[in-house]
Amino acid sequence: EAGVVQSPRYKIIEKKQPVAFWCNPISGHNTLYWYRQNLGQGPELLIRYENEEAVDDSQLPKDRFSAERLKGVDSTLKIQPAELGDSAVYLCASSRRPGEIYEQYFGPGTRLTVT
Amino acid sequence: RKEVEQDPGPFNVPEGATVAFNCTYSNSASQSFFWYRQDCRKEPKLLMSVYSSGNEDGRFTAQLNRASQYISLLIRDSKLSDSATYLCVGHQAGTALIFGKGTTLSVSS
Repeated sequence: EAGVVQSPRYKIIEKKQPVAFWCNPISGHNTLYWYRQNLGQGPELLIRYENEEAVDDSQLPKDRFSAERLKGVDSTLKIQPAELGDSAVYLCASSRRPGEIYEQYFGPGTRLTVT
Repeated sequence: RKEVEQDPGPFNVPEGATVAFNCTYSNSASQSFFWYRQDCRKEPKLLMSVYSSGNEDGRFTAQLNRASQYISLLIRDSKLSDSATYLCVGHQAGTALIFGKGTTLSVSS
């Protein structure tokens, strides 16, 4: 079974530029999560989708971050414009059903560096 | 104060040692707890769930004390391959997982 796929793996951009990350969850997993992990910290949830519906986006900085999961499968997270403080690893995760929130399968992440 | 707090370490132990990690949580409404493992520059992976009755998986034992709001992970007979960061995770129904900062373990020969 293929795992969670993310691209790109690494991205270096200048501040004020836009950037987008893509995630394809494990086949059949209805719940998709985007996390941000700063150096020396645990992952922090940005947004959670149940199918195509965003059910928890309370921690998403909506002034510059946006996300979509139009067909309830793959998802895109965008930052526009990026700031220096956005440098982090952006992790996508999926789980089979809402009740299995604890067993999340993470992708390898996108390491973003904003200069 | 973060909802889930861990001693970041690092814990440096020789092979064969027994090592224990502790974690405290501040939200008494948290219902479920887990330990995730994260290797350097890799993604987190579920290690085990934590139950009040204790949960053992080979060399790993997890324990939850709700009265003290305290979670532990014990690793016996440490292996070099146990070197990683161990993330304590709490969950309240209907909300997201809350990850601690992680505790770094380094096992040396």
